[in-house]
Amino acid sequence: KNQVEQSPQSLIILEGKNCTLQCNYTVSPFSNLRWYKQDTGRGPVSLTIMTFSENTKSNGRYTATLDADTKQSSLHITASQLSDSASYICVVSGPSGTYKYIFGTGTRLKVLA
Amino acid sequence: DAGVTQSPTHLIKTRGQQVTLRCSPKSGHDTVSWYQQALGQGPQFIFQYYEEEERQRGNFPDRFSGHQFPNYSSELNVNALLLGDSALYLCASSGVVEGREAKNIQYFGAGTRLSVL
Repeated sequence: KNQVEQSPQSLIILEGKNCTLQCNYTVSPFSNLRWYKQDTGRGPVSLTIMTFSENTKSNGRYTATLDADTKQSSLHITASQLSDSASYICVVSGPSGTYKYIFGTGTRLKVLA
Repeated sequence: DAGVTQSPTHLIKTRGQQVTLRCSPKSGHDTVSWYQQALGQGPQFIFQYYEEEERQRGNFPDRFSGHQFPNYSSELNVNALLLGDSALYLCASSGVVEGREAKNIQYFGAGTRLSVL
């Protein structure tokens, strides 16, 4: 069964600290993995997109890593800001042409001043 | 270049009523997917439209139906609303733009918040 599991379910950190979010998936084969940031009540916004051949992708203070062998990905946030408070969703796409998108349930991050 | 736009932003209905939500895809995109997102949960796939036809469907009852128009915009219709239909409904578009985007990269709209009383 194709699944995407994220951990932790929720996380609270202080402003300026770093954190790492985890995503484990069983989707196989897959074409790409994406991390989205979703503010409460808003649509998800793409942070990074990685194909199976990429190991790391950065977008400002966000760095995603991918290990296709262990089917694990992480999203590292550096020097967190209050505006980073949101849900972070990992999405794995099935093989190109199948148009299948498997969503994780997300990690809710709260950054405190 | 407008991204994915959805309307309305908020909607309040009562049980048993019918609702229509609308979505305009990102310019150049030809595929529209609809998702239901309950509070605190990840988005759940409802269905996807391509070339004015439903191409894939998730595990949703027939009360959920849709349509895609020749200009690629789409509607989501929900009949006989239940309290459990209260959620954020997200529309996502995808497609090849100038040959550079992978077809299965989705862009999301801001969503329509539906409350069923």
